Amino acid sequence: GAGVSQSPRYKVAKRGQDVALRCDPISGHVSLFWYQQALGQGPEFLTYFQNEAQLDKSGLPSDRFFAERPEGSVSTLKIQRTQQEDSAVYLCASSPWTSEDTQYFGPGTRLTVL
Amino acid sequence: QKEVEQNSGPLSVPEGAIASLNCTYSDRGSQSFFWYRQYSGKSPELIMFIYSNGDKEDGRFTAQLNKASQYVSLLIRDSQPSDSATYLCAVKEYGNKLVFGAGTILRVKS
Repeated sequence: GAGVSQSPRYKVAKRGQDVALRCDPISGHVSLFWYQQALGQGPEFLTYFQNEAQLDKSGLPSDRFFAERPEGSVSTLKIQRTQQEDSAVYLCASSPWTSEDTQYFGPGTRLTVL
Repeated sequence: QKEVEQNSGPLSVPEGAIASLNCTYSDRGSQSFFWYRQYSGKSPELIMFIYSNGDKEDGRFTAQLNKASQYVSLLIRDSQPSDSATYLCAVKEYGNKLVFGAGTILRVKS
């Protein structure tokens, strides 16, 4: 079956621009996560949705970052007034409603802020 | 700050040898542990998860967990060049988010 998909795969933005990153989770998966991965580091948690409810946004680095999942499926991560330090790979993961709670990752969006 | 620590490597092993990857974590209450493999430029791919103390085997991979020592390891038997990648240890926190280590680079030389 289809895995997690993300778009765009690559995004170049000028400093100060707004960007929107999209995630399509595996069909039927209840949980959706966003992570940020800097070069040479492991992914770092940004935010977590269970269906349409955003249950944890403790990892969002500033109020310039905003995520939504209005219908409990597709999610969008928006970054306003991008800064150079926002350059990273943004990974989306989804998880079924099971006791294992394994997270399946999408291919990521590589954001470069010039 | 809950932490997951890994040796960054690179760990170099000859083809056919056993590769041993290690991870320690700070939260004594952690219950679920995961190993992901990440090829350069690709997304993390789940290899194994382990919840109970002891060993869990899946093909050439064995995960080992020691909660008393707060230590998780991954053994790869009969290492192949295709196993060359970054291996990420992750611990699930309350609320389902994963906390990752920085990863260990493994290089298998043919």
